[in-house]
Amino acid sequence: QKEVEQNSGPLSVPEGAIASLNCTYSDRGSQSFFWYRQYSGKSPELIMFIYSNGDKEDGRFTAQLNKASQYVSLLIRDSQPSDSATYLCAVNIRGRDDKIIFGKGTRLHILP
Amino acid sequence: DAGITQSPRHKVTETGTPVTLRCHQTENHRYMYWYRQDPGHGLRLIHYSYGVKDTDKGEVSDGYSVSRSKTEDFLLTLESATSSQTSVYFCVSRFSGEETQYFGPGTRLLVL
Repeated sequence: QKEVEQNSGPLSVPEGAIASLNCTYSDRGSQSFFWYRQYSGKSPELIMFIYSNGDKEDGRFTAQLNKASQYVSLLIRDSQPSDSATYLCAVNIRGRDDKIIFGKGTRLHILP
Repeated sequence: DAGITQSPRHKVTETGTPVTLRCHQTENHRYMYWYRQDPGHGLRLIHYSYGVKDTDKGEVSDGYSVSRSKTEDFLLTLESATSSQTSVYFCVSRFSGEETQYFGPGTRLLVL
């Protein structure tokens, strides 16, 4: 069973600080990694994806991937109250079986 | 946003009745997925499709069937609804070879 693990939280971070969200995955064949944000009662929305080891930055968000450790993280700089949401990590295992497996999500609460 | 709609958006039904949820996309996406989302379980893959009449099971497929007779439509049928199938159901679609996935708005199903 291919798994994606996240700490459920809640993770509380002061406004303006850096929020760090972590995810581990079990299948070494995983090729693509995604971070989604989901507000209560809404659909998940894609924040960013990453393929290669290292960092990928998009505005206040940075995704970090370490395939050797099977670890992917999301950093949110200058956290805002509007960042309070559940963050979902997802993994795409390539092949004809092109399935996307989600973690259970981490609840993030930004303290004003 | 990609044109993905789900119908109905809300449904209340009784145990033992069949239920069909519809996902419709206007983007000519090849891949389509049905997930359910439950507290404590996150998003779990029910069934997916990589083309017309080409479908496969996900991790929680028991009690569900799907059909895809046209590129734009992906139907999820609960053959005989049970209370354990009370959930929020999300449809997702994407192009082949692209990583961006598009979520539908979700369907809230209550089985009494």
